[in-house]
Amino acid sequence: KQEVTQIPAALSVPEGENLVLNCSFTDSAIYNLQWFRQDPGKGLTSLLLIQSSQREQTSGRLNASLDKSSGRSTLYIAASQPGDSATYLCAVRHETSGSRLTFGEGTQLTVNP
Amino acid sequence: KAGVTQTPRYLIKTRGQQVTLSCSPISGHRSVSWYQQTPGQGLQFLFEYFSETQRNKGNFPGRFSGRQFSNSRSEMNVSTLELGDSALYLCASSPGTEKGYTFGSGTRLTVV
Repeated sequence: KQEVTQIPAALSVPEGENLVLNCSFTDSAIYNLQWFRQDPGKGLTSLLLIQSSQREQTSGRLNASLDKSSGRSTLYIAASQPGDSATYLCAVRHETSGSRLTFGEGTQLTVNP
Repeated sequence: KAGVTQTPRYLIKTRGQQVTLSCSPISGHRSVSWYQQTPGQGLQFLFEYFSETQRNKGNFPGRFSGRQFSNSRSEMNVSTLELGDSALYLCASSPGTEKGYTFGSGTRLTVV
């Protein structure tokens, strides 16, 4: 059974800091991994999608890496801003679970002005 | 390009009642999935529909059901509501197996 873990559970940083969020998964037989953000009471916004054959994806200040063999992904946020405050979730699509996404519990990020 | 649309946004129901939630996927997306999000359990997969067929199902009781129409719109139904069914229900659509998912804003269901 695929399990996804995110560390840390919560993070508070001053504005402008670079930060790294971690995601680990137990079974490396994945199709892809997707990072989302969720604002309080809202739906999920897709940030980055990394296919199993890729090592990283970049979008603006965000960079996500994937090390499939070790079961790890990181989300790097450069020059953090108060608007980045949200919960960040990683989700894995496993080869044998079809369309099902398995989510981590998320990292709650607060960026202080 | 319109996103995934879920209706209604908020719903309050009484224990024992039933409820139907609606999801309109992004145009061209034939795969629609449903998730339940609660503070204690996080995001849990309910089921996925593709071309009007349920293709995958999570570990939820039979009170939770769904369907998909020929235009890819999907509905989920929860019968005999329990207090524990209070949650944010999220719908997601995808154009294909190796593509990512786009989520809607969710329906917040409160059972009293």
